[in-house]
Amino acid sequence: GQNIDQPTEMTATEGAIVQINCTYQTSGFNGLFWYQQHAGEAPTFLSYNVLDGLEEKGRFSSFLSRSKGYSYLLLKELQMKDSASYLCAVRPVGGTALIFGKGTTLSVSS
Amino acid sequence: NAGVMQNPRHLVRRRGQEARLRCSPMKGHSHVYWYRQLPEEGLKFMVYLQKENIIDESGMPKERFSAEFPKEGPSILRIQQVVRGDSAAYFCASSPSGGSEAFFGQGTRLTVV
Repeated sequence: GQNIDQPTEMTATEGAIVQINCTYQTSGFNGLFWYQQHAGEAPTFLSYNVLDGLEEKGRFSSFLSRSKGYSYLLLKELQMKDSASYLCAVRPVGGTALIFGKGTTLSVSS
Repeated sequence: NAGVMQNPRHLVRRRGQEARLRCSPMKGHSHVYWYRQLPEEGLKFMVYLQKENIIDESGMPKERFSAEFPKEGPSILRIQQVVRGDSAAYFCASSPSGGSEAFFGQGTRLTVV
């Protein structure tokens, strides 16, 4: 089976840096995804890691350690519009559907 | 290139009625996934389909729920004899192949009264 854990809520201020952690226990692993979801809207793709290391894309970076079953999403230069839920998802081996964690709700204040 | 289109956006049904949720994938995408999201819960996988085939329905409730993706037309998620516990947001996602990132639609918010 799969189990994905992330903090329920986080708060930060504009201009700051925040790191959202995700740990997973899966019977197999074939990639980790991060999605952003604003309230009442569709999840939008942020990043994909399949190998260990850091993937950087503008203000957002994602890190993966397969041996530790651990990933984080790093958001720099926070803006108010970054207030949203951030969903960590794993693709299990032999499957194509993503298994999602419950998401981390990030609140950015001025 | 339009994104994943779901309709209706909001659907209200009385207990015992049927709900039909439609999903048109992005152009060129032949893989469709349905997810359910309850308040304060994560996205729960329900079913994965390709054209005319159900590939993985391990997340579908055994009764009252069914899904199809015909050769022509949108994918349909059908819920028969709805109950209050079926109230949720149902999201559809599509991808061009099985191993690539999935793009989500805006969701259908089903309310059972």
